[in-house]
Amino acid sequence: DTEVTQTPKHLVMGMTNKKSLKCEQHMGHRAMYWYKQKAKKPPELMFVYSYEKLSINESVPSRFSPECPNSSLLNLHLHALQPEDSALYLCASSLQRVTEAFFGQGTRLTVV
Amino acid sequence: ELKVEQNPLFLSMQEGKNYTIYCNYSTTSDRLYWYRQDPGKSLESLFVLLSNGAVKQEGRLMASLDTKARLSTLHITAAVHDLSATYFCAVDLRRYGGATNKLIFGTGTLLAVQP
Repeated sequence: DTEVTQTPKHLVMGMTNKKSLKCEQHMGHRAMYWYKQKAKKPPELMFVYSYEKLSINESVPSRFSPECPNSSLLNLHLHALQPEDSALYLCASSLQRVTEAFFGQGTRLTVV
Repeated sequence: ELKVEQNPLFLSMQEGKNYTIYCNYSTTSDRLYWYRQDPGKSLESLFVLLSNGAVKQEGRLMASLDTKARLSTLHITAAVHDLSATYFCAVDLRRYGGATNKLIFGTGTLLAVQP
Protein backbone atom coordinates (compact mmCIF):
# COMPACT_ATOMS: atom_id res chain seq x y z
CA ASP A 1 0.00 0.00 0.00
CA THR A 2 1.71 3.17 -1.22
CA GLU A 3 -1.23 5.46 -0.83
CA VAL A 4 -1.79 8.68 1.00
CA THR A 5 -5.52 9.28 1.26
CA GLN A 6 -6.98 12.74 1.71
CA THR A 7 -10.56 13.68 2.49
CA PRO A 8 -12.55 15.49 1.36
CA LYS A 9 -11.48 15.88 -2.26
CA HIS A 10 -13.34 19.18 -2.58
CA LEU A 11 -14.42 21.64 0.09
CA VAL A 12 -16.26 24.94 -0.13
CA MET A 13 -16.41 26.93 3.07
CA GLY A 14 -17.45 30.37 4.19
CA MET A 15 -15.09 32.72 5.95
CA THR A 16 -16.76 32.10 9.31
CA ASN A 17 -16.80 28.31 9.05
CA LYS A 18 -14.65 25.77 10.81
CA LYS A 19 -13.64 22.71 8.84
CA SER A 20 -10.94 20.03 8.89
CA LEU A 21 -8.90 18.31 6.24
CA LYS A 22 -7.85 14.73 6.88
CA CYS A 23 -4.91 12.70 5.68
CA GLU A 24 -4.16 9.02 6.28
CA GLN A 25 -1.30 6.71 5.37
CA HIS A 26 -0.56 3.10 6.31
CA MET A 27 2.97 2.83 5.01
CA GLY A 28 4.60 3.17 8.43
CA HIS A 29 5.97 6.58 7.52
CA ARG A 30 6.86 8.68 10.54
CA ALA A 31 7.17 11.99 8.69
CA MET A 32 4.06 13.75 7.41
CA TYR A 33 3.65 17.06 5.65
CA TRP A 34 1.11 19.66 4.61
CA TYR A 35 1.69 21.66 1.43
CA LYS A 36 -0.37 24.41 -0.17
CA GLN A 37 -0.46 24.81 -3.94
CA LYS A 38 -2.01 27.74 -5.74
CA ALA A 39 -2.95 27.42 -9.40
CA LYS A 40 0.01 27.23 -11.76
CA LYS A 41 2.45 27.53 -8.83
CA PRO A 42 4.71 25.02 -7.10
CA PRO A 43 3.69 23.45 -3.79
CA GLU A 44 4.73 25.41 -0.70
CA LEU A 45 5.58 23.68 2.54
CA MET A 46 3.33 24.55 5.47
CA PHE A 47 3.96 22.05 8.28
CA VAL A 48 6.14 19.02 8.96
CA TYR A 49 5.48 16.38 11.60
CA SER A 50 8.13 13.94 12.71
CA TYR A 51 7.12 11.08 14.98
CA GLU A 52 3.82 12.84 15.66
CA LYS A 53 5.51 16.02 16.84
CA LEU A 54 5.43 19.31 14.97
CA SER A 55 8.89 19.76 13.49
CA ILE A 56 8.48 22.68 11.11
CA ASN A 57 5.92 25.49 10.88
CA GLU A 58 6.71 27.68 7.92
CA SER A 59 5.23 30.80 9.53
CA VAL A 60 1.72 29.72 8.62
CA PRO A 61 -1.13 31.93 9.90
CA SER A 62 -2.86 30.63 13.01
CA ARG A 63 -6.12 30.17 11.14
CA PHE A 64 -4.47 26.93 9.97
CA SER A 65 -3.97 24.48 12.83
CA PRO A 66 -2.32 21.10 12.23
CA GLU A 67 -2.79 18.03 14.36
CA CYS A 68 -1.21 14.58 14.29
CA PRO A 69 -3.30 12.31 16.52
CA ASN A 70 -1.29 9.19 15.68
CA SER A 71 1.38 7.97 13.29
CA SER A 72 -1.12 7.30 10.49
CA LEU A 73 -3.27 10.40 10.64
CA LEU A 74 -2.71 14.07 9.97
CA ASN A 75 -5.37 16.75 10.20
CA LEU A 76 -5.47 20.39 9.20
CA HIS A 77 -8.06 22.43 11.07
CA LEU A 78 -9.32 25.52 9.29
CA HIS A 79 -10.98 28.52 10.89
CA ALA A 80 -11.82 32.02 9.68
CA LEU A 81 -10.10 31.55 6.35
CA GLN A 82 -9.81 34.21 3.69
CA PRO A 83 -10.64 33.87 -0.02
CA GLU A 84 -6.91 34.00 -0.80
CA ASP A 85 -6.53 30.73 1.13
CA SER A 86 -8.33 28.95 -1.69
CA ALA A 87 -5.88 26.40 -3.06
CA LEU A 88 -5.06 22.72 -3.41
CA TYR A 89 -3.90 21.36 -0.05
CA LEU A 90 -1.61 18.39 -0.36
CA CYS A 91 -0.62 15.93 2.33
CA ALA A 92 2.53 13.86 1.99
CA SER A 93 4.47 11.30 3.97
CA SER A 94 7.97 9.88 3.85
CA LEU A 95 9.76 6.95 5.45
CA GLN A 96 12.86 8.91 6.31
CA ARG A 97 14.67 11.96 5.10
CA VAL A 98 16.48 10.42 2.18
CA THR A 99 13.46 8.87 0.56
CA GLU A 100 10.93 10.68 -1.51
CA ALA A 101 7.69 12.04 -0.13
CA PHE A 102 4.50 10.36 -1.33
CA PHE A 103 1.67 12.77 -1.97
CA GLY A 104 -2.05 12.38 -1.55
CA GLN A 105 -4.55 13.48 -4.19
CA GLY A 106 -5.17 16.73 -2.40
CA THR A 107 -8.17 18.68 -1.16
CA ARG A 108 -9.28 21.51 -3.40
CA LEU A 109 -10.43 24.22 -1.03
CA THR A 110 -12.57 27.18 -2.03
CA VAL A 111 -13.24 29.93 0.52
CA VAL A 112 -16.25 32.08 -0.27
CA GLU B 1 16.80 33.04 0.48
CA LEU B 2 16.76 29.79 -1.44
CA LYS B 3 15.77 29.99 -5.07
CA VAL B 4 14.96 26.94 -7.17
CA GLU B 5 14.51 27.90 -10.77
CA GLN B 6 13.55 25.73 -13.69
CA ASN B 7 14.16 26.46 -17.32
CA PRO B 8 12.13 26.56 -19.45
CA LEU B 9 8.84 27.34 -17.73
CA PHE B 10 6.90 26.11 -20.74
CA LEU B 11 8.03 23.62 -23.33
CA SER B 12 6.12 22.66 -26.44
CA MET B 13 7.78 19.84 -28.29
CA GLN B 14 6.96 17.39 -31.03
CA GLU B 15 6.70 13.68 -30.51
CA GLY B 16 9.97 11.92 -31.18
CA LYS B 17 12.16 14.88 -30.23
CA ASN B 18 14.64 15.16 -27.39
CA TYR B 19 14.86 17.96 -24.86
CA THR B 20 16.28 18.86 -21.45
CA ILE B 21 14.72 20.66 -18.50
CA TYR B 22 17.14 22.43 -16.17
CA CYS B 23 16.81 22.97 -12.44
CA ASN B 24 19.15 25.48 -10.78
CA TYR B 25 19.23 26.09 -7.05
CA SER B 26 20.97 28.70 -4.98
CA THR B 27 22.10 26.87 -1.84
CA THR B 28 24.08 23.78 -0.95
CA SER B 29 22.10 20.57 -1.06
CA ASP B 30 22.93 17.02 -2.04
CA ARG B 31 19.39 15.75 -2.27
CA LEU B 32 17.10 16.53 -5.15
CA TYR B 33 13.83 15.04 -6.30
CA TRP B 34 11.84 15.18 -9.53
CA TYR B 35 8.05 15.02 -9.53
CA ARG B 36 5.39 14.94 -12.24
CA GLN B 37 1.97 16.56 -11.88
CA ASP B 38 -0.92 16.04 -14.28
CA PRO B 39 -3.57 18.80 -14.44
CA GLY B 40 -5.74 18.83 -11.33
CA LYS B 41 -3.86 15.86 -9.90
CA SER B 42 -1.32 15.19 -7.22
CA LEU B 43 2.43 14.81 -7.48
CA GLU B 44 4.03 11.59 -8.64
CA SER B 45 7.61 10.86 -7.62
CA LEU B 46 9.90 10.26 -10.59
CA PHE B 47 13.49 10.32 -9.33
CA VAL B 48 15.47 10.60 -6.12
CA LEU B 49 19.02 11.94 -6.57
CA LEU B 50 21.11 11.64 -3.43
CA SER B 51 24.67 12.49 -4.37
CA ASN B 52 26.85 14.42 -6.74
CA GLY B 53 26.98 12.73 -10.12
CA ALA B 54 23.85 10.67 -9.52
CA VAL B 55 22.08 9.61 -12.68
CA LYS B 56 18.74 7.82 -12.79
CA GLN B 57 16.78 6.62 -15.82
CA GLU B 58 13.23 5.40 -16.21
CA GLY B 59 11.82 4.87 -19.67
CA ARG B 60 12.22 8.02 -21.75
CA LEU B 61 13.30 10.16 -18.79
CA MET B 62 16.77 10.52 -17.34
CA ALA B 63 17.72 12.74 -14.42
CA SER B 64 21.14 13.83 -13.21
CA LEU B 65 22.56 15.89 -10.38
CA ASP B 66 25.67 18.10 -10.23
CA THR B 67 25.87 19.42 -6.68
CA LYS B 68 28.96 21.52 -7.42
CA ALA B 69 27.15 23.42 -10.14
CA ARG B 70 23.88 23.28 -8.14
CA LEU B 71 22.21 21.95 -11.23
CA SER B 72 19.94 19.04 -12.05
CA THR B 73 18.69 18.08 -15.47
CA LEU B 74 15.74 16.05 -16.67
CA HIS B 75 16.33 14.74 -20.16
CA ILE B 76 13.47 13.57 -22.33
CA THR B 77 14.25 11.15 -25.13
CA ALA B 78 11.89 10.64 -28.08
CA ALA B 79 8.97 12.37 -26.41
CA VAL B 80 5.48 10.90 -26.55
CA HIS B 81 2.16 12.59 -25.83
CA ASP B 82 1.76 10.71 -22.54
CA LEU B 83 4.68 12.69 -21.12
CA SER B 84 2.65 15.92 -21.25
CA ALA B 85 2.48 17.22 -17.66
CA THR B 86 4.11 19.72 -15.32
CA TYR B 87 7.49 18.65 -14.00
CA PHE B 88 8.88 19.94 -10.72
CA CYS B 89 12.29 19.58 -9.19
CA ALA B 90 12.51 19.86 -5.40
CA VAL B 91 15.59 20.58 -3.31
CA ASP B 92 15.87 19.19 0.21
CA LEU B 93 17.10 21.86 2.61
CA ARG B 94 17.49 19.61 5.64
CA ARG B 95 21.16 18.57 5.52
CA TYR B 96 22.01 17.50 9.01
CA GLY B 97 20.22 14.82 10.96
CA GLY B 98 16.47 14.69 11.30
CA ALA B 99 13.97 12.25 9.91
CA THR B 100 12.10 14.62 7.62
CA ASN B 101 12.49 16.35 4.32
CA LYS B 102 12.18 20.07 3.85
CA LEU B 103 11.45 20.28 0.16
CA ILE B 104 11.53 23.52 -1.73
CA PHE B 105 9.98 23.10 -5.14
CA GLY B 106 11.16 24.65 -8.35
CA THR B 107 9.00 26.89 -10.47
CA GLY B 108 7.80 23.97 -12.59
CA THR B 109 8.02 23.24 -16.32
CA LEU B 110 4.81 22.70 -18.24
CA LEU B 111 5.56 20.18 -20.97
CA ALA B 112 3.22 19.83 -23.93
CA VAL B 113 4.08 17.11 -26.42
CA GLN B 114 2.39 17.63 -29.76
CA PRO B 115 1.63 14.74 -32.12
